[in-house]
Amino acid sequence: EAQVTQNPRYLITVTGKKLTVTCSQNMNHEYMSWYRQDPGLGLRQIYYSMNVEVTDKGDVPEGYKVSRKEKRNFPLILESPSPNQTSLYFCASRPQGSYEQYFGPGTRLTVT
Amino acid sequence: ELKVEQNPLFLSMQEGKNYTIYCNYSTTSDRLYWYRQDPGKSLESLFVLLSNGAVKQEGRLMASLDTKARLSTLHITAAVHDLSATYFCAVERGATNKLIFGTGTLLAVQP
Repeated sequence: EAQVTQNPRYLITVTGKKLTVTCSQNMNHEYMSWYRQDPGLGLRQIYYSMNVEVTDKGDVPEGYKVSRKEKRNFPLILESPSPNQTSLYFCASRPQGSYEQYFGPGTRLTVT
Repeated sequence: ELKVEQNPLFLSMQEGKNYTIYCNYSTTSDRLYWYRQDPGKSLESLFVLLSNGAVKQEGRLMASLDTKARLSTLHITAAVHDLSATYFCAVERGATNKLIFGTGTLLAVQP
């Protein structure tokens, strides 16, 4: 089944403890993105990637890192999480030249 | 800076009625997307509009794009309860994969 998977789906952590949220797609898509969703703010793009080793900042990259070493994976790294990074995170992918974006199921992160 | 505004933020409507959600964006964009999100779920692609005057329809939803006015509309015809969800528009400039989302419109269709 064609899909975007994220792990974990739920995470409660403490301030300053490094964490990684994984994102994987099995559709051989070139484009991948990370978004955060907060009430009243909609979705805001954190980072995006147009292919392996090609990444760029979105609108809210502060406090996040990404890597794209393989086409299928696009992990989101929080080196030192803070409470203001408590949010619902979505990974998405789409093939180059196409406009339909496939979203993962979301990861709800709480930083205390 | 590209900004996207949606109106209204919340819409309560009765079944059978028609209504329109508006999406304004501040600078020239190449594509406009509409997504649906059910409570507690991920986002689902509805439409992508590529050019001025583009119109797409799926069931009771119709989306249109006016690039000169920098406005897209999502029209709901004869609403049914199953359409209750949050609807987002998003715009993209170039082939960048950089999307700017609106804040969303929470639609509640009452019987």
